[in-house]
Amino acid sequence: DQQVKQNSPSLSVQEGRISILNCDYTNSMFDYFLWYKKYPAEGPTFLISISSIKDKNEDGRFTVFLNKSAKHLSLHIVPSQPGDSAVYFCAASAPTSGTYKYIFGTGTRLKVLA
Amino acid sequence: NAGVMQNPRHLVRRRGQEARLRCSPMKGHSHVYWYRQLPEEGLKFMVYLQKENIIDESGMPKERFSAEFPKEGPSILRIQQVVRGDSAAYFCASSPNKDSQYFGPGTRLTVT
Repeated sequence: DQQVKQNSPSLSVQEGRISILNCDYTNSMFDYFLWYKKYPAEGPTFLISISSIKDKNEDGRFTVFLNKSAKHLSLHIVPSQPGDSAVYFCAASAPTSGTYKYIFGTGTRLKVLA
Repeated sequence: NAGVMQNPRHLVRRRGQEARLRCSPMKGHSHVYWYRQLPEEGLKFMVYLQKENIIDESGMPKERFSAEFPKEGPSILRIQQVVRGDSAAYFCASSPNKDSQYFGPGTRLTVT
């Protein structure tokens, strides 16, 4: 049962344009969401997070949007740079329920073309 | 402040042998999580430990797998009698509190 879904396994974007990565979840108990970036042969690196009390969080070129009613979140990267090419994982947790483990999606491989 | 360290980075074991994976959390972090990533899949939670305690092991297979986080030393994920299906990347994460997990570089286990 995949509680966190990333339905696009890959995405190609031209340098300078916006990259939009999507994530859907099924468990309404999730109240904390994160995006991680992963390069080959390395561990995931934290990018940005959002609590369910917000609908938007911005950090530099990265913005995460949360639509609780649709159980959907998205990561916007603008402008996209070649160094952003990596696999992006969406993750969710339910800390207020006492569960601190992260549930990860299967990832979206982003390729930014120079 | 060094990041999360995992060793070995690569481990090859024959079927039936034991695998021991080590994780040293970041300084000051007392929460450790283990995740497994199979090829072309996301990371799957295995176990959450605090010093000397297993808090949540709901993602750990009931047989052959065990984890510990002793008072002194690294956290250890132990896999007994490995099978080919155990081949995966195993990631450890640590945190100073109950969120903000920082990941190590992973151990790639290959079972031949």
